[in-house]
Amino acid sequence: SVLLYQKPNRDICQSGTSLKIQCVADSQVVSMFWYQQFQEQSLMLMATANEGSEATYESGFTKDKFPISRPNLTFSTLTVNNARPGDSSIYFCSSSGTGLYEQYFGPGTRLTVL
Amino acid sequence: TQTVSQSDAHVTVFEGDSVELRCNYSYGGSIYLSWYIQHHGRGLQFLLKYYSGNPVVQGVNGFEAEFSKSDSSFHLRKASVHWSDSAVYFCAASITGGNNKLTFGQGTVLSVIP
Repeated sequence: SVLLYQKPNRDICQSGTSLKIQCVADSQVVSMFWYQQFQEQSLMLMATANEGSEATYESGFTKDKFPISRPNLTFSTLTVNNARPGDSSIYFCSSSGTGLYEQYFGPGTRLTVL
Repeated sequence: TQTVSQSDAHVTVFEGDSVELRCNYSYGGSIYLSWYIQHHGRGLQFLLKYYSGNPVVQGVNGFEAEFSKSDSSFHLRKASVHWSDSAVYFCAASITGGNNKLTFGQGTVLSVIP
């Protein structure tokens, strides 16, 4: 399995500002994923991030709004640009480690945009 | 595109009861199916997965799930639940060659009454 850590645990920001969420794995992983979860709802895959290449975004998520960096095999950051109240949700990073088709999740970052 | 459906939004049982949480999927090709648990305010934890072989797979904490191709289902079961099993359960699917991306069902809230 893989242990993932996220920072910050939670954040409150004003509309129009940007914030970064960091994800660190305790071992090297090929792919990292970012998910968005609104209160009481399911998780939506935002993007897949592989080292050294641009992240691949799912429908409804864009690089301009949610730029993702993946500078090495243990680290990724998700930025929320021009935050709006509708971005208030929990953001999770995950990775599959060495196990195929099973993923391990970070504890999540709860974002509130005022 | 694969879809995952969990028809029960909420399930309530008494401690010691058995429980089955339902999951149905839609996809024409090879598919990996898995279950995750999310305790309140926490990240997701992997429970079990199925790809091939014995259609009944065992997971952690006494959970098991059974794959049925004819019913397009992957229901999760536990013979005797504990109050600590109260959580949200997500069924997820990933397609072969899909870069490990997960599609989640809507989630089922399991409430166990002590």
